[in-house]
Amino acid sequence: ILNVEQSPQSLHVQEGDSTNFTCSFPSSNFYALHWYRWETAKSPEALFVMTLNGDEKKKGRISATLNTKEGYSYLYIKGSQPEDSATYLCAYPNTGNQFYFGTGTSLTVIP
Amino acid sequence: EAGVTQSPTHLIKTRGQQVTLRCSPISGHTSVYWYQQALGLGLQFLLWYDEGEERNRGNFPPRFSGRQFPNYSSELNVNALELEDSALYLCASSSGAGWYNEQFFGPGTRLTVL
Repeated sequence: ILNVEQSPQSLHVQEGDSTNFTCSFPSSNFYALHWYRWETAKSPEALFVMTLNGDEKKKGRISATLNTKEGYSYLYIKGSQPEDSATYLCAYPNTGNQFYFGTGTSLTVIP
Repeated sequence: EAGVTQSPTHLIKTRGQQVTLRCSPISGHTSVYWYQQALGLGLQFLLWYDEGEERNRGNFPPRFSGRQFPNYSSELNVNALELEDSALYLCASSSGAGWYNEQFFGPGTRLTVL
């Protein structure tokens, strides 16, 4: 069983604030790191798939970085909006595509 | 393009019964994953199917089983239901078997076992 940890567990920010959270994963035998956004009453939605050390990906106001040597990825949200309120999940696959999900960071953006 | 669909949306069963959950992937997707989210827990990997074959399964008892059909749709079967099987069951599809393929999730089936 692999340990994938996310921190913080929850976060409340004001509209317009920038924020970031962390996903930690085993640094050995790295394959990929997935980020998903899960809004209440909806399905998880893929944000990024990161595969290379030093990867930096961006989608609008959301970006992510990857450090496979030390086993962490950061997700950044610039200028948070109420519609960014969701749970953000990271997932780490092993060699057999067994995806290990973190328990998520729940983000609430206060208008 | 239609997304991943799952049926039924909700289901109530009693202990000892059997249940079948269904998943239709996005057209052209060959891989289907099943996950369980029990109350208070994160998503737990159940099963992975690709090209009609079971490729991997998570740490779940054998009463959790499934299959993938030639059209790549999939079923998850749970026999001898136990109270702790009450959970949200999510299905996801991807366009290939690589760990770099993003997954597209369905709306889930909420199973309640009484």
